[in-house]
Amino acid sequence: VQLQETGPGLVKPSGTLSLTCAVSGNSITSFYWNWIRQTPGKGLEWIGSWYHTGATSYNPSLQSRVTISADKSKNQFSLNLTSVTAADTAVYYCARRDTARVAGFDYWGQGILVSVSS
Amino acid sequence: DILMTQSPSSLSASVGDTVTIICRASQIIDPYLSWYRQQTGKAPELLIYAASSLRSGVSSRFRGRGSGTEFSLTISGLQPEDFATYYCQQSSSSPFTFGPGTKVDV
Repeated sequence: VQLQETGPGLVKPSGTLSLTCAVSGNSITSFYWNWIRQTPGKGLEWIGSWYHTGATSYNPSLQSRVTISADKSKNQFSLNLTSVTAADTAVYYCARRDTARVAGFDYWGQGILVSVSS
Repeated sequence: DILMTQSPSSLSASVGDTVTIICRASQIIDPYLSWYRQQTGKAPELLIYAASSLRSGVSSRFRGRGSGTEFSLTISGLQPEDFATYYCQQSSSSPFTFGPGTKVDV
């Protein structure tokens, strides 16, 4: 299983951060597909997840600005984060998680650094 | 949100040493606790899930224990690749939250 994040590395303040995670070796029609970010100040922060039924779950701290969607035909899922500020500067990871409640995030992308700056 | 804490925040060790990292949750999360190792510049890597279950392919020198709100990760016989930062993470309730990390260095 391999995950690969792509997207712009620089986003202007008040703009929208858009990233895509391409998945190979596993269909996205099973498992939960997640976005997680990491900053030096706040550490690792779970952003949200997408499930093949179309169900999504978001971190309440970001819920008003986040949308996670997927394109099953391309076997990829995406993150949109609106109204970004410098506080959204982070390394963004996509990751897979099994449906079992005890499951951890078992496959991760390499991460993509996104900076918010004018 | 469930708050996760870890201690110590950092520790120094040598190859071959045995070290233990503690993770505490602000409420009972047993057994919904995972451990990760993150090497510099890389993504976190899942080591342990369900508090004590070793992920397939992960070395048996990693051992997870604990219940309720207190958990531990013990690394026996530190290898060079184990000098990294370790995180715990709860999946008891959303939003899933991570500990602040414990850095193991030489």
